[in-house]
Amino acid sequence: DTAVSQTPKYLVTQMGNDKSIKCEQNLGHDTMYWYKQDSKKFLKIMFSYNNKELIINETVPNRFSPKSPDKAHLNLHINSLELGDSAVYFCASSQDLQGGYTFGSGTRLTVV
Amino acid sequence: DAKTTQPPSMDCAEGRAANLPCNHSTISGNEYVYWYRQIHSQGPQYIIHGLKNNETNEMASLIITEDRKSSTLILPHATLRDTAVYYCIVKNSGYSTLTFGKGTMLLVSP
Repeated sequence: DTAVSQTPKYLVTQMGNDKSIKCEQNLGHDTMYWYKQDSKKFLKIMFSYNNKELIINETVPNRFSPKSPDKAHLNLHINSLELGDSAVYFCASSQDLQGGYTFGSGTRLTVV
Repeated sequence: DAKTTQPPSMDCAEGRAANLPCNHSTISGNEYVYWYRQIHSQGPQYIIHGLKNNETNEMASLIITEDRKSSTLILPHATLRDTAVYYCIVKNSGYSTLTFGKGTMLLVSP
């Protein structure tokens, strides 16, 4: 029974396209996150939501728009994809801002 | 949040204890020490966290020095499946998120 699930696992798309990545958690956690891991393997926070409200936006281009329809879901929509957006995107959740994070298995996005 | 310093890589023989050090000399009183690991091609995995006292769970033990300026993660009996990048992260209890550094690449060999 997957705790944090992301779809799709792999996404290959052309420059300029718009795409979405979905994330769902069944842990009953209040807080969800999106992280980006680039080719150099650095993990960087992008967004944090607490009870469906955006609380952290780490200078991410406004082509990236997170949407949280409810506490269990945090989707990431990306407009006008660029080559530099190629990375692995991880969704995570935590019970609160202090607890351990549970990460999904990642979505590998390749922009060609 | 305070920065951390970890060795870039370590080796450990299978079955032996792996002791991973972390320096966080600028840690402040309300900051916790967290440890995560990332096995190749997987999402990061929470291991353990602590504030002042030593902590132990089914995965590992966390030893924090009395002055809290450094800590050690101990995997008591390392297996090949423990080969991963281990991240030591300092974070306060407020509205801040986990900031990952470069971590330590632990290679467990037969």
